[in-house]
Amino acid sequence: KNQVEQSPQSLIILEGKNCTLQCNYTVSPFSNLRWYKQDTGRGPVSLTIMTFSENTKSNGRYTATLDADTKQSSLHITASQLSDSASYICVVSAQNSGYALNFGKGTSLLVTP
Amino acid sequence: KAGVTQTPRYLIKTRGQQVTLSCSPISGHRSVSWYQQTPGQGLQFLFEYFSETQRNKGNFPGRFSGRQFSNSRSEMNVSTLELGDSALYLCASSSGTADYGYTFGSGTRLTVV
Repeated sequence: KNQVEQSPQSLIILEGKNCTLQCNYTVSPFSNLRWYKQDTGRGPVSLTIMTFSENTKSNGRYTATLDADTKQSSLHITASQLSDSASYICVVSAQNSGYALNFGKGTSLLVTP
Repeated sequence: KAGVTQTPRYLIKTRGQQVTLSCSPISGHRSVSWYQQTPGQGLQFLFEYFSETQRNKGNFPGRFSGRQFSNSRSEMNVSTLELGDSALYLCASSSGTADYGYTFGSGTRLTVV
């Protein structure tokens, strides 16, 4: 069964600090992995998309890494800002899924002043 | 270009009623997929439509149905509403081909009382 597990479930950090969110998956055969940011009551917004051959991708202060061998990904946020407070969702799709997506339950991040 | 538009944004229905939600994808996108998001379960895939045909379906009961029109706009219908159907319903738009970009709408918040 295709599964996506994220950790931690929630995280509180001080403004300006860095943090790393984790995503482990069992989706096979792997097609691509995406990280989304979802503000409360809004739809998810794509941060990064990585395919099998990519092991790191950045989007401003967000850097995602992918280890396809261990089936792990991380999202590193540098110099956090209050606006980074949101839920971060890891989404993995399989090659034969017909574009159906496998979602993690997300990490809820709170950045405090 | 305009994003993904979901209407209505909020909806309150009584148990046993039915409801229809609408999603207008990004111009040129032919794939629309629907998701249910609840605090306990996270995002769960309902179904995906591509060129007016249902291409994939998740594990939801038959009370959940959808359709797509020739202009790619999609509707989702839920009949005989239950309290547990209260959720944020999101749709995502994609070209439906090798482009792995999905753009989400802001969602419809459905409350069943």
